[in-house]
Amino acid sequence: ETGVTQSPTHLIKTRGQQVTLRCSSQSGHNTVSWYQQALGQGPQFIFQYYREEENGRGNFPPRFSGLQFPNYSSELNVNALELDDSALYLCASSSAGTGLGTGELFFGEGSRLTVL
Amino acid sequence: GENVEQHPSTLSVQEGDSAVIKCTYSDSASNYFPWYKQELGKGPQLIIDIRSNVGEKKDQRIAVTLNKTAKHFSLHITETQPEDSAVYFCAASIAKNNDMRFGAGTRLTVKP
Repeated sequence: ETGVTQSPTHLIKTRGQQVTLRCSSQSGHNTVSWYQQALGQGPQFIFQYYREEENGRGNFPPRFSGLQFPNYSSELNVNALELDDSALYLCASSSAGTGLGTGELFFGEGSRLTVL
Repeated sequence: GENVEQHPSTLSVQEGDSAVIKCTYSDSASNYFPWYKQELGKGPQLIIDIRSNVGEKKDQRIAVTLNKTAKHFSLHITETQPEDSAVYFCAASIAKNNDMRFGAGTRLTVKP
């Protein structure tokens, strides 16, 4: 069984640039959630994708956007990067996606973004 | 929205002792309460969870208790071992929402 994989593992960008992070969900999972984890903090929910549509969103501005593909993999895009966007971005897959929000989340190891 | 608070932020215990981490939540509609362990350089991994129709759940050395009236839940680790050292996160979510809220984490250190 293949777990959740994320790429890239590390990247450095400058303010104002755009970034795309990628996630492959665990085999058999149809739902992908993205979280932002600042240093020393708990993960903060960005949004969730189910059946290629956004299925819930946290308190993040529109410059955070995403996609889900037919194979359930997903992308997180962040435009107009700000210094505060520096964080570990975690992708989690699950088989929830029914609006119940109570399925176990399986996390990848994250993409660490540094904005200079 | 839901707000989850977690205490303590750091916890140091001697090997073999017990460790207790406590969390409170704000939204009485929350009905799913998982605990995650995050080791350095890795993503969080579920170690135990509890649903609102259950007051206590145990899995070997790990147990979780839930008090719905007081809106708090706790993680108990007995007979701690050095490999239990990690950051532990509690979380809460509401059925029909897809937004799991995490606490700020507890860094547990188990001294040999």
